[in-house]
Amino acid sequence: AQKVTQAQTEISVVEKEDVTLDCVYETRDTTYYLFWYKQPPSGELVFLIRRNSFDEQNEISGRYSWNFQKSTSSFNFTITASQVVDSAVYFCALTGTFYNQGGKLIFGQGTELSVKP
Amino acid sequence: DAGVIQSPRHEVTEMGQEVTLRCKPISGHDYLFWYRQTMMRGLELLIYFNNNVPIDDSGMPEDRFSAKMPNASFSTLKIQPSEPRDSAVYFCASTPPGTLGANEQFFGPGTRLTVL
Repeated sequence: AQKVTQAQTEISVVEKEDVTLDCVYETRDTTYYLFWYKQPPSGELVFLIRRNSFDEQNEISGRYSWNFQKSTSSFNFTITASQVVDSAVYFCALTGTFYNQGGKLIFGQGTELSVKP
Repeated sequence: DAGVIQSPRHEVTEMGQEVTLRCKPISGHDYLFWYRQTMMRGLELLIYFNNNVPIDDSGMPEDRFSAKMPNASFSTLKIQPSEPRDSAVYFCASTPPGTLGANEQFFGPGTRLTVL
């Protein structure tokens, strides 16, 4: 079975601090995809990044960076110099690729990030 | 280009009433997903379609829930009769053709359902 665990339920930081959101996953698929989504207070789900299981390169996009490590089944997300606008719930998610199982986004429980001025 | 469109955005109904949620996926997308978000259970997949055909409905909670996709541009999720425990935000998402599971899912704004 596939499972995503985000152990941090809530994180509170002060603006400009760096913060890392943890994500650990379980899957028996050899090919799979990992995602991060952001859900701001307005409620919509915003796609942030996708990573496939064969690409372990870390990625940086502005203040955001992602560290994917297959050896520990982790896909952690770091925000550098956090800002108040980063306050949101962040979801890590996983899909497999087998027919009638693939495409199903399995979400973690989410980490609520609060960035205080 | 319009994103995924859901209606209504908010729905308040009384227990026992029928509720119909609507979704228009992004044009050209051939997968459509219905998710439900609650505090207790988080985000969970209810059902998904490929080319208008239901592929996996194992997440549908019970027979009171049904979903249809009569054409590529429209899907409905119906709850009949509704119960207070159905109160949640229901999201529709779509994804373009391609390697199954590989593409990001584009989410609609959600329908916040309250059953009194």
